[in-house]
Amino acid sequence: DAKTTQPTSMDCAEGRAANLPCNHSTISGNEYVYWYRQIHSQGPQYIIHGLKNNETNEMASLIITEDRKSSTLILPHATLRDTAVYYCIVRVVTGRRALTFGSGTRLQVQP
Amino acid sequence: DTAVSQTPKYLVTQMGNDKSIKCEQNLGHDTMYWYKQDSKKFLKIMFSYNNKELIINETVPNRFSPKSPDKAHLNLHINSLELGDSAVYFCASSQARTSGELFFGEGSRLTVL
Repeated sequence: DAKTTQPTSMDCAEGRAANLPCNHSTISGNEYVYWYRQIHSQGPQYIIHGLKNNETNEMASLIITEDRKSSTLILPHATLRDTAVYYCIVRVVTGRRALTFGSGTRLQVQP
Repeated sequence: DTAVSQTPKYLVTQMGNDKSIKCEQNLGHDTMYWYKQDSKKFLKIMFSYNNKELIINETVPNRFSPKSPDKAHLNLHINSLELGDSAVYFCASSQARTSGELFFGEGSRLTVL
């Protein structure tokens, strides 16, 4: 599975959009981009995933560049409860290996 | 109803003891996992079972033995506990072994004194 690079930490004002970048320049054509988050003292939570097209669900939007070498997770109106570590993970579509978590981005939503 | 539940949530024990952590999922998923999160917060896969069959066994000491009595349950037994085993252990499940959408439990914090 391709390696990902994320900033160590980010701040965001409450009510504003949080844009979390992820670089995956070695991604292959058969690899999905997954996003998870881990709120303090809780288990990781799946957010969204995509292959080529932009995706949106009730939690977030995922924007993948045309060359697929990077992506951005967007939380449209961040709240204090969105403070967490966000993990960007690349995984083969039919992969049989378990998800591998990196160090992620620590997002602090400020009041 | 909690989708993936682990017990106990907290476990404090002495070095050399044997302990177990239990996990149950009510999602009807085929695949279950154990992850370990150490003090540096890195999440590492330990084991995975698919329909009661062990499919992933990372480099984990033999003192760790997973058991899956049925596909809804995956337990983790640890023998001869060591200080370095102190961590938070997360159980997770997914619909299939190829699925990247995992559902995690709340974690079991193990402290070895």
